[in-house]
Amino acid sequence: EVQLVESGGGLVQPGGSQRLTCAASAFRFSSNWMHWVRQAPGKGLVWVARINSDSSSISYGDSVRGRFTISRDNAKDTVYLQMSSLRAEDTAVYYCVRENRDGYHFDSWGQGTLVTVSS
Amino acid sequence: QSALTQPASVSGSPGQSITISCTGTSSDVGNHNLVSWYQHLPGQVPKVIIYEVSERPSGVSTRFSGSKSGNTASLTISGLQSEDESYYYCCSYVSGATWVFGGGTKVTVL
Repeated sequence: EVQLVESGGGLVQPGGSQRLTCAASAFRFSSNWMHWVRQAPGKGLVWVARINSDSSSISYGDSVRGRFTISRDNAKDTVYLQMSSLRAEDTAVYYCVRENRDGYHFDSWGQGTLVTVSS
Repeated sequence: QSALTQPASVSGSPGQSITISCTGTSSDVGNHNLVSWYQHLPGQVPKVIIYEVSERPSGVSTRFSGSKSGNTASLTISGLQSEDESYYYCCSYVSGATWVFGGGTKVTVL
């Protein structure tokens, strides 16, 4: 069974940085595009970032572009989200998500990790 | 990247059919047949129930169906059941390798 396990969430001060990690297992990680999606408390899902299989193509949502960096290590079956210049509005559960190999939709989600930006 | 527009809530009685709309623009919903729908039950992770406007993943009930007209996609739940009570989100691919979600719709079974 496909598993995506996020870690790295916690309390961080405004303006600070945090790195999220997503460990993947039970599928050929290097063949799938990976995404991060977040959900602020009481709010809806928001797409954050995407990285293709060999890291040659990366894209971001408007609200995080220039502050967040997505990366992956196919040797470790891991995808990362480096977050900097964090703001209160970045407070959310961050989900690691696998894009289906046929493309354009999300077929596996991690349980999520909560990031709280507060002083 | 403005969020797609969904009604905040939709309700129906058991056995009825309900439809959730998802309105975007000619840059997202209207430009591709790449709309997907996710069911997000409380305490669980989102689950894809429709992809490419109207395709159902293996194992998803045939009571869920999708369609699209112009810039608006729709999810229909037929034969509404108590276990369908959940949040539902649409999502569309946008040119430039980005995606956008709808604001979500809470479905209540009366």
